[in-house]
Amino acid sequence: EIVMTQSPATLSVSPGERATLSCRASESVSTNVAWYQQRPGQAPRLLIYAAVSRATDIPARFSGSGSGTEFTLTISSLQSEDFAMYYCQQYNRWPPWTFGQGTKVEIK
Amino acid sequence: EVQLVESGGGLVQPGGSLRLSCAASGFNFNNYWMTWVRQAPGKGLEWVANIKHDGSETDYADSVQGRFTISRDNAKNSLFLQMHSLRAEDTAVYYCAREHADYTCFDKWGQGTQVIVSS
Repeated sequence: EIVMTQSPATLSVSPGERATLSCRASESVSTNVAWYQQRPGQAPRLLIYAAVSRATDIPARFSGSGSGTEFTLTISSLQSEDFAMYYCQQYNRWPPWTFGQGTKVEIK
Repeated sequence: EVQLVESGGGLVQPGGSLRLSCAASGFNFNNYWMTWVRQAPGKGLEWVANIKHDGSETDYADSVQGRFTISRDNAKNSLFLQMHSLRAEDTAVYYCAREHADYTCFDKWGQGTQVIVSS
């Protein structure tokens, strides 16, 4: 199974600042990576698919990059509603679909 | 508007059974693969099972293989997860999710249903 490793576990950022989240795959997954946001008490929401494509209704301040084994989610200017958990997921080789352990973005 | 609404969760004793349901609306359900993902308390996301749009193919996580069965009723726009031999480690919120039409990630999620396995 492909292991997805996210870093850091927690990211403390001030509103309006940029946040950069990382995800590493244990083997190449091409660009078959998605990013999800999960606010407390809510279901996950798809943000990014195919490593770089924003899902429907996702604001332009969210962007994804990377290929192979290294991926990044960037939030250009954090808004209050962006403080949440973020998960990466690979869908290059399945089953199983595998998720990273998550990065918590908190208010600094 | 796409909606996925799970039900059927609850408290069950170890070794017991439970059947989860997911009612879909707002899209052509029988054109999409569907999946179940769970989240244990304070933990991350774990894929559980998925099913092809016509029900002809299914896959399971090793942790549930042989105990859980995923199924669907396209006439009723419904997805199911039959769970047997439940263990404490199956305690989680269970989400149904729709697979993206073109990519095998999950583009719509329900709000989840809580399953607690405890004596």
